[in-house]
Amino acid sequence: KQEVTQIPAALSVPEGENLVLNCSFTDSAIYNLQWFRQDPGKGLTSLLLIQSSQREQTSGRLNASLDKSSGRSTLYIAASQPGDSATYLCAVLISSGSARQLTFGSGTQLTVLP
Amino acid sequence: EPEVTQTPSHQVTQMGQEVILRCVPISNHLYFYWYRQILGQKVEFLVSFYNNEISEKSEIFDDQFSVERPDGSNFTLKIRSTKLEDSAMYFCASSAIGTPYPNTGELFFGEGSRLTVL
Repeated sequence: KQEVTQIPAALSVPEGENLVLNCSFTDSAIYNLQWFRQDPGKGLTSLLLIQSSQREQTSGRLNASLDKSSGRSTLYIAASQPGDSATYLCAVLISSGSARQLTFGSGTQLTVLP
Repeated sequence: EPEVTQTPSHQVTQMGQEVILRCVPISNHLYFYWYRQILGQKVEFLVSFYNNEISEKSEIFDDQFSVERPDGSNFTLKIRSTKLEDSAMYFCASSAIGTPYPNTGELFFGEGSRLTVL
């Protein structure tokens, strides 16, 4: 059974700092990996998707990397801003025939202090 | 930009009542999903649906739960007799497959339906 772990569980940084969020997964036979942002009481906003054949994806100040063989992904946030404060979730997709299942980590709760 | 829409955004019900949560997936998508998130916990997979049938379900998705695509556009989750522990945010998602669209496998989520069981 796929397990997804995110470290740290919570992180507080001053504005402007660069930071790295970590995600690890136990089964490397993934189809893709998605990073999501979740604001308190709200839905899931997709940030980046990395296909299993890719090594990284970039969107603005965000860069996500994937090392499938070691079961790890990182989300790098450059020049953090207070508006980046949210919970960041990592999720991996397993695809087998018509069955698809996305398994989520517990998330990293980020607070960026002004 | 196409999006997944869910109704209601919040529903309060009494224990033992039936609840139906509704979702309109993105129109050209063929895979549909329900996930739930109990307050303060992980987002958990409930069920996936493809070609008018359940393709996979978790151990959470017991006989109290059912899904339906009644009219080719809506995708519903029914909870027959709600329990206190069913209180959670329920997320619907959809994804595309196949030609002519690139099959990235990306799931697109709705804003969620918050269910409170009293």
